[in-house]
Amino acid sequence: AQKVTQAQTEISVVEKEDVTLDCVYETRDTTYYLFWYKQPPSGELVFLIRRNSFDEQNEISGRYSWNFQKSTSSFNFTITASQVVDSAVYFCALSDFTGGGNKLTFGTGTQLKVEL
Amino acid sequence: DAGITQSPRYKITETGRQVTLMCHQTWSHSYMFWYRQDLGHGLRLIYYSAAADITDKGEVPDGYVVSRSKTENFPLTLESATRSQTSVYFCASSHTGTENTGELFFGEGSRLTVL
Repeated sequence: AQKVTQAQTEISVVEKEDVTLDCVYETRDTTYYLFWYKQPPSGELVFLIRRNSFDEQNEISGRYSWNFQKSTSSFNFTITASQVVDSAVYFCALSDFTGGGNKLTFGTGTQLKVEL
Repeated sequence: DAGITQSPRYKITETGRQVTLMCHQTWSHSYMFWYRQDLGHGLRLIYYSAAADITDKGEVPDGYVVSRSKTENFPLTLESATRSQTSVYFCASSHTGTENTGELFFGEGSRLTVL
C-alpha cells in the first residue's frame, strides 16, 4: 500500500532562516509521481511541484528547492530565507494508480510557522 | 472562469440529518475525488470517480454516498450525519490519458460542522 510519512508535525523558525520539510514515502510502483502542496491559513490547497520517479534531479524555484532521493525514498522540501508568508501547512503526496484509479496519498502535513 | 467549485463553503447541521456537498468542474476532467481533512490525518480519500456513472471507494467511505450522472458534477451525500463527520471536505479533479500525472486540482473546500 502507498504511504507517505511527514514526521515533523510542526516547525517554528524565525524569518530568514532556512527550513527543510521532510517527506518519506513507500510504494511498490516503479513509476510514480511525488507532489508538494501548500495550504495557507486561508485554507485552499496550492500545488507547488510534481516530480517524476525517473527524474532525480533536484529542482530549485526561487527560494524553494526539492531534494528527491530514490535510495532513501525521500522527497524533502527546503525553503531558503523563510518569510512570514511561508507560514502554512505543507503536504507531501504520492500518486496511487492501484486498481486503475488515479489518486493521491497524502502525508499528515507539516505546519510551518515563520515568525518575525 | 474555468475551475472547480464547491458549495456550500460552510455548513452547520445536526446529527442524523442528510447533507449534500456539491462539486462542479468546468475542465471536463474525467477523474473527480472527495477528500476529507482532519487534524493529525492529513487528507484522506473518501470516494473517487473515473468517469460518469463510475465511482469507487477510497480509504474512508463509510457514511458517505456519491453519484456522478454528469462528468462535471460529483456530489457527496452524508445520509445521516454524525459528529465524527465534522471536517473540511475537498473536491478535486484530474486529467486522464497522456496528461495523467496524478496531479489534483482542488476546490476551495467545504467546512462541515455536525452538532
